Amino acid sequence: AAGVIQSPRHLIKEKRETATLKCYPIPRHDTVYWYQQGPGQDPQFLISFYEKMQSDKGSIPDRFSAQQFSDYHSELNMSSLELGDSALYFCASSLKRLGDSPLHFGNGTRLTVT
Amino acid sequence: QLLEQSPQFLSIQEGENLTVYCNSSSVFSSLQWYRQEPGEGPVLLIALYKAGELTSNGRLTAQFGITRKDSFLNISASIPSDVGIYFCAGQPNAGGTSYGKLTFGQGTILTVHP
Repeated sequence: AAGVIQSPRHLIKEKRETATLKCYPIPRHDTVYWYQQGPGQDPQFLISFYEKMQSDKGSIPDRFSAQQFSDYHSELNMSSLELGDSALYFCASSLKRLGDSPLHFGNGTRLTVT
Repeated sequence: QLLEQSPQFLSIQEGENLTVYCNSSSVFSSLQWYRQEPGEGPVLLIALYKAGELTSNGRLTAQFGITRKDSFLNISASIPSDVGIYFCAGQPNAGGTSYGKLTFGQGTILTVHP
C-alpha cells in the first residue's frame, strides 16, 4: 500500500539559510500534519492542513510556514535556520472526513543545521 | 494534555511477554500505539476508538480504558525484531480542528535479547 512520502530524507544547511521540506500524503487522504522530533524526544505537533486550509497550529516558530497545495502535497518552509532546528521532521496524513482515522507517518526528513 | 508512559526502558529475553502502559488525567477521543526505529517514522500498530475496546494485531494486544484516560499494549512471545521505541499517542475530539494534534507519551525503549 502507498505510504506517506517525504523528501529529502536528509538535509544539511547552515545557520540563517532556508530549507523546504516536502510531503506527499497517502492518496485520497485529506489531512496533512507536520511534526518535529528532537533527539531522544517524542514528536511535537507543528501544524496541520485539512482540504488545503490550515486547521491547527502547535508550537511552530514564526520563522516556519507551511502550505498544502491543490494536489494535497504539503511543504514546510523554514527560514533563518538556527542550530536548534536540527531535528527529524515528520509528515503524517489521515482521512479526517471519515471521523476516527489514525495518522500515518512518513519516514521523515533529518535536518542538520551547522 | 499529558500522557505518562511506563516503563521508560524494557530489556527482555526473546520469547518473553511484555506490557507497556499509558495513563493520563485527560480524556482522549482515541488512542494509538506506534513503534519507531532510529531515524525512521512512527509506524502505526493499533488504533483504539471505543472505551474499553480490546484489539489485537498478531502478537500485539491493546486496550483502551473505560474512562478513555489510559491504555496498555501487550506483546507476546517477543522476537528480536520487536526492538524499537514504542509510543502511545492520544487524539483529541474527533472532528475538531485539533483532531491530529496527537499527544505522545515519552516512549518505551525495548531491547530483546536472543
